[in-house]
Amino acid sequence: AQSVAQPEDQVNVAEGNPLTVKCTYSVSGNPYLFWYVQYPNRGLQFLLKYITGDNLVKGSYGFEAEFNKSQTSFHLKKPSALVSDSALYFCAVRALNSGNTPLVFGKGTRLSVIA
Amino acid sequence: DGGITQSPKYLFRKEGQNVTLSCEQNLNHDAMYWYRQDPGQGLRLIYYSQIVNDFQKGDIAEGYSVSREKKESFPLTVTSAQKNPTAFYLCARTPLTRPGDYGYTFGSGTRLTVV
Repeated sequence: AQSVAQPEDQVNVAEGNPLTVKCTYSVSGNPYLFWYVQYPNRGLQFLLKYITGDNLVKGSYGFEAEFNKSQTSFHLKKPSALVSDSALYFCAVRALNSGNTPLVFGKGTRLSVIA
Repeated sequence: DGGITQSPKYLFRKEGQNVTLSCEQNLNHDAMYWYRQDPGQGLRLIYYSQIVNDFQKGDIAEGYSVSREKKESFPLTVTSAQKNPTAFYLCARTPLTRPGDYGYTFGSGTRLTVV
C-alpha cells in the first residue's frame, strides 16, 4: 500500500527566512513524488515532481524539493519565503510500477509566512 | 482553467436530495478522478475512471455515484445516502500514457453545503 505523511499541520516562518515543509512516503519500489499548492477555495496547483534522476528537483515559484531514498523523504524547500507563499501544501506519491493506480495525498501542511 | 472545468462553484443541498457536480475536460485525457477535501483530512479519493463506461471505487465511495458516458465528462452525484456531504469536491484529470510524468491537473472545485 502507498502512503504519505506530512508530520506538521502548520508551519510558520518569517518573510525572507528559508522554509521547509516535510513529507515522508511509503511505497513498494521506486516512487513518483509530487508537491501541490492550494490557495483558498481553489483547486490544487502543481509545483514540482520527482520521477528519476537528480535528487534535487526545482519547481515553480522558486520552490525545490530534495528526494532522499534512504529516509523515504521528499521535503519541500525555498531559500527565502514570501508572504504570498502562504497556502496549503500537499505531498503525493504513487509507485513507479503500479500501473495506473491513483495518487495518494498527504493531509496537507498549512504554511504561514509572516511579514 | 487548465483544460478542466467544475461547476457550480457553490452548491446547496437540502436533506434527502440528490445533487450532481459537473466536471468537464477538453484535453482528451483518459483518466479522471473525484476527491473530497475536509479540513485536516487532506484529499480522499471517491471514484476514478480510466476509460469511457468504466470506473472504480476509491476509499470513500459510499453515498456517491458517477458515470463516464463520454471521455470529456465525469459527473459526480451525491446521493441522499451520503450522510455528511458538506465538503469541498475536487475533480482532476491526467493522460494515462506516462501518468506519473504529468501528475494531475485539478479543477477549481465545488463547495457543497447541506442546508
